[in-house]
Amino acid sequence: SQTIHQWPATLVQPVGSPLSLECTVEGTSNPNLYWYRQAAGRGLQLLFYSVGIGQISSEVPQNLSASRPQDRQFILSSKKLLLSDSGFYLCAWGEVTDNEKLFFGSGTQLSVL
Amino acid sequence: KQEVTQIPAALSVPEGENLVLNCSFTDSAIYNLQWFRQDPGKGLTSLLLIQSSQREQTSGRLNASLDKSSGRSTLYIAASQPGDSATYLCAVNDYKLSFGAGTTVTVRA
Repeated sequence: SQTIHQWPATLVQPVGSPLSLECTVEGTSNPNLYWYRQAAGRGLQLLFYSVGIGQISSEVPQNLSASRPQDRQFILSSKKLLLSDSGFYLCAWGEVTDNEKLFFGSGTQLSVL
Repeated sequence: KQEVTQIPAALSVPEGENLVLNCSFTDSAIYNLQWFRQDPGKGLTSLLLIQSSQREQTSGRLNASLDKSSGRSTLYIAASQPGDSATYLCAVNDYKLSFGAGTTVTVRA
């Protein structure tokens, strides 16, 4: 069966520090991969999605970036964090069909202080 | 741009009462609609997925309906239990998923 791993679960970082969040998927090949951010009391905001290795689409202009170095690995990064980067970050994978069902990781709560 | 709205934002009911959660969307050209459950500080768990050609989908005490022409979906949870307390989100797939802000449900014992 497919599983998705996301870490760390909680992260506290100072403003201006770098960021690296990692997500890996097991039990499937060539999944679509997604990074979402959830701010308190708001809906999920799509940040990046990837349909294959090295293929990244950005939905929101910001100081975050994403990379997909391997088929089942998706990384969210920043060179210098801002206070506004605080939030709950969720990785997800989806079946590569028109009727895509999404499966989410357990999330990373990021606090930038 | 697809906009997804969930009303009410919060709901509190006594145990045993049926729950009705609403989701509306602005663009009816969708592939499917998905309902998720989120517990505090956790990721999302998929509950039901309704294809655009379907009118409803059922799983146990859960039933979700879809009226694509009017841009509405409703999630029914029968005979609510305290363990149903969580935030429920709907997501509309029109090539990309757009999420509502969710309805936070509290079931009182």
